[in-house]
Amino acid sequence: DAGITQSPRHKVTETGTPVTLRCHQTENHRYMYWYRQDPGHGLRLIHYSYGVKDTDKGEVSDGYSVSRSKTEDFLLTLESATSSQTSVYFCAISDQTGTWNEQFFGPGTRLTVL
Amino acid sequence: DQQVKQNSPSLSVQEGRISILNCDYTNSMFDYFLWYKKYPAEGPTFLISISSIKDKNEDGRFTVFLNKSAKHLSLHIVPSQPGDSAVYFCAAIKDDKIIFGKGTRLHILP
Repeated sequence: DAGITQSPRHKVTETGTPVTLRCHQTENHRYMYWYRQDPGHGLRLIHYSYGVKDTDKGEVSDGYSVSRSKTEDFLLTLESATSSQTSVYFCAISDQTGTWNEQFFGPGTRLTVL
Repeated sequence: DQQVKQNSPSLSVQEGRISILNCDYTNSMFDYFLWYKKYPAEGPTFLISISSIKDKNEDGRFTVFLNKSAKHLSLHIVPSQPGDSAVYFCAAIKDDKIIFGKGTRLHILP
């Protein structure tokens, strides 16, 4: 299994508070991704990174920011959490060669915003 | 707009029979298609893929078929086993990004 950990695994917070989720990899993969999974929506890309300090937006990036200061860590921040951000968040990594882009997923973080 | 569609939210199949999961897409420029499997409280795991230049790929009990003219792909699992009970996501790749369908929950009945 690819070495990907997410912390925390569960978090309950209140509306308006800042929240940071961490993804850590030991595979030295270049690409890292943050997704959210919601019933009826599958997995939706929030932000992704193609290298240290290189990030870009996904399809549901509003209300989220990311940072990647080291290859192994990719942080997802909710500056002011809202109830609509209650979800399960998955980090993924890939080491793209050519056009093949298999992604390995972390175990997920369940976030509840009250 | 949904570029990758899995129109069946759930599917129940008898153990030992064939499971067929379907997926439709709208963008003819997708390069690769993948299937991911997800158990509760775990991240998705890669199952099988197919390039847009092929029409079939087989890996053990799992076969993916691609019909480009119909913009349709399907995953066949034969024979179905209890451990196959999970949510299956169809996904497509274009420009280094993966677009996932909403998933189909497969129940394998004893």
